Amino acid sequence: AQKVTQAQTEISVVEKEDVTLDCVYETRDTTYYLFWYKQPPSGELVFLIRRNSFDEQNEISGRYSWNFQKSTSSFNFTITASQVVDSAVYFCALSEADTGNQFYFGTGTSLTVIP
Amino acid sequence: DAMVIQNPRYQVTQFGKPVTLSCSQTLNHNVMYWYQQKSSQAPKLLFHYYDKDFNNEADTPDNFQSRRPNTSFCFLDIRSPGLGDAAMYLCATSRNRPNEQFFGPGTRLTVL
Repeated sequence: AQKVTQAQTEISVVEKEDVTLDCVYETRDTTYYLFWYKQPPSGELVFLIRRNSFDEQNEISGRYSWNFQKSTSSFNFTITASQVVDSAVYFCALSEADTGNQFYFGTGTSLTVIP
Repeated sequence: DAMVIQNPRYQVTQFGKPVTLSCSQTLNHNVMYWYQQKSSQAPKLLFHYYDKDFNNEADTPDNFQSRRPNTSFCFLDIRSPGLGDAAMYLCATSRNRPNEQFFGPGTRLTVL
């Protein structure tokens, strides 16, 4: 079974629009970690955020914000006032305490910001 | 700046000709990972080293091997590349597990 689901394969928005990337995860562990990575066309995966299962506080970093809801097993990512430089593939990932070596990546969401 | 470096960035090899990809890091992280990423897919973990301990994923083909001679360096050896091995190979590091992983820029492998 897919542990991390990113249902949106591709999204296109016009510059300055807000966009939310969805991530739904599945785990039986009580201790786990969630991550978001950005992969621009250059190919390098860039770490954006890590959140552990005991911290449901939402986080804001500049134009980026994350909404973690254990009740719905979701860890959604919102970009406010999108810019062309935000165009990339975004991956959500899960790591479980019992199998800490394994990152379960979602299939990614390709975001295109149109100028 | 501390970083993860992969060389070469682009590698072309012939079908069946062994190839080695290299990764080095200045982060002094004790865990190093190798991923394979094919077009429009998520990265797939091949194996990782936790310190000197090698951990192979169950579905990683025997054709893929790895070496970690010291903390800073890790190599991916593909003994007999097939056309299906053409992909981006990503190296990552982390301080222990399951902390965030820091990725290198990747090596794009082409098999002719």
